[in-house]
Amino acid sequence: EPEVTQTPSHQVTQMGQEVILRCVPISNHLYFYWYRQILGQKVEFLVSFYNNEISEKSEIFDDQFSVERPDGSNFTLKIRSTKLEDSAMYFCASDGDTLAGGLQNEQFFGPGTRLTVL
Amino acid sequence: KQEVTQIPAALSVPEGENLVLNCSFTDSAIYNLQWFRQDPGKGLTSLLLIQSSQREQTSGRLNASLDKSSGRSTLYIAASQPGDSATYLCAVRGSSNTGKLIFGQGTTLQVKP
Repeated sequence: EPEVTQTPSHQVTQMGQEVILRCVPISNHLYFYWYRQILGQKVEFLVSFYNNEISEKSEIFDDQFSVERPDGSNFTLKIRSTKLEDSAMYFCASDGDTLAGGLQNEQFFGPGTRLTVL
Repeated sequence: KQEVTQIPAALSVPEGENLVLNCSFTDSAIYNLQWFRQDPGKGLTSLLLIQSSQREQTSGRLNASLDKSSGRSTLYIAASQPGDSATYLCAVRGSSNTGKLIFGQGTTLQVKP
């Protein structure tokens, strides 16, 4: 069964360093998302991406964040200069199955990347 | 602004019990609602999706209902098993023009053998 994959599973970095989190969405899907979950808190929306551009972003997604689809399969989240408060689990998700008309229905999540900023 | 609340925050039951998890949302103008399961330190597994026009969805021992007008959904788990122990998350999508899901804080379920 197709699934969203994410690498790495755990990333440790020093404050101020750049990190890139990688995701491979489900191949037939059109819409891609990043969410984050700080330990003990709700899952929060960061950004959505469609047709090679950002379609929506939250207040959290400031100039330190960027997303890219560098090729036909990968979807990345870059944090330019990490802060302690960026420590969280980052989830990638996708939906809009072209085989089902591309409708944004059931959203599928990857296993997450745990980012620890020291 | 849409807010999603789940009650209770935690629940402990003996194996075999039927149980209900509750989710409420403040803005009834939703496109759909999705229930997820999250194991500790893991990703989110989609359990059920209910479209705004639907009243309920079933998958195995799980049944989710939706009452859009009152801003409520319930997840019913029949004959609970220790393997059902996890955190259950409810998430709503506001409209067809957004893919953004807004999550509740989850209900952590423990099923004791």
